[in-house]
Amino acid sequence: AQKVTQAQTEISVVEKEDVTLDCVYETRDTTYYLFWYKQPPSGELVFLIRRNSFDEQNEISGRYSWNFQKSTSSFNFTITASQVVDSAVYFCALAGGFKTIFGAGTRLFVKA
Amino acid sequence: DAGVTQSPTHLIKTRGQQVTLRCSPKSGHDTVSWYQQALGQGPQFIFQYYEEEERQRGNFPDRFSGHQFPNYSSELNVNALLLGDSALYLCASSLGGGATIGYTFGSGTRLTVV
Repeated sequence: AQKVTQAQTEISVVEKEDVTLDCVYETRDTTYYLFWYKQPPSGELVFLIRRNSFDEQNEISGRYSWNFQKSTSSFNFTITASQVVDSAVYFCALAGGFKTIFGAGTRLFVKA
Repeated sequence: DAGVTQSPTHLIKTRGQQVTLRCSPKSGHDTVSWYQQALGQGPQFIFQYYEEEERQRGNFPDRFSGHQFPNYSSELNVNALLLGDSALYLCASSLGGGATIGYTFGSGTRLTVV
């Protein structure tokens, strides 16, 4: 069975702090894809990044970076120098075949 | 370039009634997936439509059904509504079937069952 676990329910930081959101997944598939989505208060999930199971190269995009470690089945997401606009719920997701499984989400509060 | 459009945005129904939610995918996308998101939880996969067929279904009862039209738009129907069906229903579009490319989501339909 596939499963995505986001152990952090809520995180609160002060603006300009760095914050890491944790994600652990379970799958028996050898080929799969991992995602992070952001859900602002408007409700629409916004795609942030996609990573396939064969590409463990970590990525940095502006203030965002991702750390994929297949050995520990983790796909963590870090925001550097957080801003108030980063406040949202962040979902880690695992895709294989026709469906995507989402974690329960981590609500991030960034205070000014 | 229009994104995913869902209608209506909000809906209030009574237990036992039926409801139809609508979704127009992003221009160029041919695959529609539906998700249910209860308050404080992650989206749960309902089903995916590609080439006007249901390709895969999540753990939802037969009260949940859908349809995809030749123009790729889709409907989600829920019969015999229960209080527990109250949730945000999200439509996600993608290209070429499957779920590995990533989705473009709509803003959802907030369904309240009273």
